[in-house]
Amino acid sequence: QVELVESGGGVVQPGMSLRLSCVASGFTFSGYVMHWVRQAPGKGLEWVGVIWTDGNYKQYADSVKGRFSISRDNSKNTLYLQIDSLRGEDTAVYYCARDPATHPCDVWGQGTMITVSS
Amino acid sequence: EIVMTQSPATLSVSLGERATLSCRASQSISSNLAWFQHKPGQAPRLLIYGASTRATGIPARFSGSGSETEFTFTINSLQSEDFAVYYCHHYNNWPPMYTFGQGTKLEIK
Repeated sequence: QVELVESGGGVVQPGMSLRLSCVASGFTFSGYVMHWVRQAPGKGLEWVGVIWTDGNYKQYADSVKGRFSISRDNSKNTLYLQIDSLRGEDTAVYYCARDPATHPCDVWGQGTMITVSS
Repeated sequence: EIVMTQSPATLSVSLGERATLSCRASQSISSNLAWFQHKPGQAPRLLIYGASTRATGIPARFSGSGSETEFTFTINSLQSEDFAVYYCHHYNNWPPMYTFGQGTKLEIK
């Protein structure tokens, strides 16, 4: 079945880096634009960034520009989110989501939690 | 930057009744508006896109309307599984633009 599974979250100290992964299955990963969305504790959903099917176009929310980097490996059906210089406000559940282009994200992963704490 | 504002922040409704949620865009977004349902510990679920089109498998009791800057989301005959947080979401493929409202928590009265 169609599925997205995130991994790579954990407890990290401020200033450290982390790379999240999102493995896709059950569909042609290379044919889909992919997004990252996060939810901080007690807060709403926040769009983080998007990557085009071939990886050549990326866009980020202003709040994460310069520290977050999205990439993908279509040969491995995997989406990545590299986060540098982690801050307390990056504490959140991070979701990857599939964008079929004809309508908004229709398949989401269960999320992976990052806690930034000293 | 387009800002999406939802109201109310919390809505208390009885089982079997109707819930009506609102979403306002700070500028016209045509019909590029979706509604998501989100429950704790679960992935968000796409309910409505294009302001009024139900996503695959979504029951008819869920409906959306509106255009430009004013949008409404309605759930008829509320069932216990409908109590969750609902987000409106502006999306635009080019230029890429994606924004969520702050959410409306729908709780049992």
